[in-house]
Amino acid sequence: ETGVTQTPRHLVMGMTNKKSLKCEQHLGHNAMYWYKQSAKKPLELMFVYSLEERVENNSVPSRFSPECPNSSHLFLHLHTLQPEDSALYLCASSQDAVEGGSYNEQFFGPGTRLTVL
Amino acid sequence: KQEVTQIPAALSVPEGENLVLNCSFTDSAIYNLQWFRQDPGKGLTSLLLIQSSQREQTSGRLNASLDKSSGRSTLYIAASQPGDSATYLCAPSGSRLTFGEGTQLTVNP
Repeated sequence: ETGVTQTPRHLVMGMTNKKSLKCEQHLGHNAMYWYKQSAKKPLELMFVYSLEERVENNSVPSRFSPECPNSSHLFLHLHTLQPEDSALYLCASSQDAVEGGSYNEQFFGPGTRLTVL
Repeated sequence: KQEVTQIPAALSVPEGENLVLNCSFTDSAIYNLQWFRQDPGKGLTSLLLIQSSQREQTSGRLNASLDKSSGRSTLYIAASQPGDSATYLCAPSGSRLTFGEGTQLTVNP
């Protein structure tokens, strides 16, 4: 595997279900990100992890719970979601999460298309 | 708060044309700017990253320019091909990347 991978690629869940999205990066990076892309809206940053520590949480509802067990893996745990949470969820990684420089060039995975019924 | 505008929102051209995609941003205090392409329902592919100290960056048929003081960047695509059809996103980076809504490009054979 190369680059950034995400599983599953598609997920349909009911509002009472609990599911998890998985992201893995094979680039040796130290920072990982979760983004949400809704129809007709720009990408929204949800969470930033640097060296397995959460460094940013952009006012995301608590029904989204991230987990970063090591610098290569990132999870997004989902529970009691709403239909408006249906979107493409994208994971990205970069060398570091520091401001500036080429190290924060981000590389994205293919995304998980989530549908909440 | 950074706001990013991309013009045009959609563009349809015949194969072989040279074209320019525009990006403007409101906060010029950025460190770099990244251009991505996104195919329908897929993730983002990084095309070019321009540092704030640079004016231009080139990769193959792609050339991106940055005028940080005026809050503008352009992506120039030479000799367009049907395989270039995608949505192109620009993302200036201050503390984090901020994305525009993109330009949806269709190159017709």
